[in-house]
Amino acid sequence: AQKITQTQPGMFVQEKEAVTLDCTYDTSDPSYGLFWYKQPSSGEMIFLIYQGSYDQQNATEGRYSLNFQKARKSANLVISASQLGDSAMYFCAMREDQGGKLIFGQGTELSVKP
Amino acid sequence: KAGVTQTPRYLIKTRGQQVTLSCSPISGHRSVSWYQQTPGQGLQFLFEYFSETQRNKGNFPGRFSGRQFSNSRSEMNVSTLELGDSALYLCASSSNPGQVNYGYTFGSGTRLTVV
Repeated sequence: AQKITQTQPGMFVQEKEAVTLDCTYDTSDPSYGLFWYKQPSSGEMIFLIYQGSYDQQNATEGRYSLNFQKARKSANLVISASQLGDSAMYFCAMREDQGGKLIFGQGTELSVKP
Repeated sequence: KAGVTQTPRYLIKTRGQQVTLSCSPISGHRSVSWYQQTPGQGLQFLFEYFSETQRNKGNFPGRFSGRQFSNSRSEMNVSTLELGDSALYLCASSSNPGQVNYGYTFGSGTRLTVV
């Protein structure tokens, strides 16, 4: 069964430093997509970055990059040069090729310290 | 370009009542999905609609239902509310749900409190 695991309930990072948020997944479908979303206290889910299972290179979007290790079934999010506004919940999610839904992990609460 | 609009933002209902939540997707998007978020269960998929047809349904009781109109706006209804239905309900729209590389744009959610 498809599953997303985020093992870090909470993390702290110093402003301007880089931080890695862990995500492992489990699926038997060879075609799938992996997503990271940010959820500030306002509740809205903000799309950050996407990685397809057949993509040869790791995805990058500005300060966000995804460390995709297919054999290990991991898709860690790297945030470079953390900002105070990065403090939020971060969710890793997966969508299989034949599915019409996102499966979410439990989330990681990131706190950026000044 | 307007985002996904959910109304109302906050709602307080009494046990046993029913509630209807509304979601207007991004213009041109024909797929709308609903998710329930609670501290205990996290984010769980409720259902997905595409061109007025339900394509997928999550593991929720029949008290949870939804529909989609010809203009792609969607409503979800919860009947006979229980305390455990208190949650943030998120709606997401997508332009092309048939491709795995399409994610969803989420609204700000409706926070439902059942007392």
